[in-house]
Amino acid sequence: DAKTTQPTSMDCAEGRAANLPCNHSTISGNEYVYWYRQIHSQGPQYIIHGLKNNETNEMASLIITEDRKSSTLILPHATLRDTAVYYCIVNRGGYQKVTFGTGTKLQVIP
Amino acid sequence: DGGITQSPKYLFRKEGQNVTLSCEQNLNHDAMYWYRQDPGQGLRLIYYSQIVNDFQKGDIAEGYSVSREKKESFPLTVTSAQKNPTAFYLCASTTGQAGNTEAFFGQGTRLTVV
Repeated sequence: DAKTTQPTSMDCAEGRAANLPCNHSTISGNEYVYWYRQIHSQGPQYIIHGLKNNETNEMASLIITEDRKSSTLILPHATLRDTAVYYCIVNRGGYQKVTFGTGTKLQVIP
Repeated sequence: DGGITQSPKYLFRKEGQNVTLSCEQNLNHDAMYWYRQDPGQGLRLIYYSQIVNDFQKGDIAEGYSVSREKKESFPLTVTSAQKNPTAFYLCASTTGQAGNTEAFFGQGTRLTVV
């Protein structure tokens, strides 16, 4: 698996956009970028994933740079319920094992 | 509803006893995973299974054992050889299809060994 690097923690004001960066400079051509979040003492929840193009769903947007070496998860209007640890992982799918790093702890501030 | 179920949610055991954590999924997923999480830390992979009757060690398999006799079930045994078993244990599953490995997680089992 390609390694990912994320900031340890970030703060965001409630109602503002939260932009969470992830570096994955060793990503290979067939690896996807996935984002999950984990609210305290719960199982992680899938948010979004992408290969090359930017992606958007009801939860978030994913912006992947053209060289695919980094990406940004955007929560357009952060709420207090978005306070969680966010994990960025890269994975080529199939039966490749899924590994997680330590993630970014996002604190949404009222 | 389809999903992945872990039981029990909380588990207490005496030191030196083996304990088995249950993980069941009705998503028809081929691949299943066990992770360990310590306070303030990320997830570390213990074991994973890509298909029935087959499994591989993850990054921290020592002191743990698994079986995969049925597609739906992937129990984890924490043996007395695991030196620090108190932790939060998470089970996950994926389809195993390329490009579509969104992982579904259970709600976890918090194991405390006293």
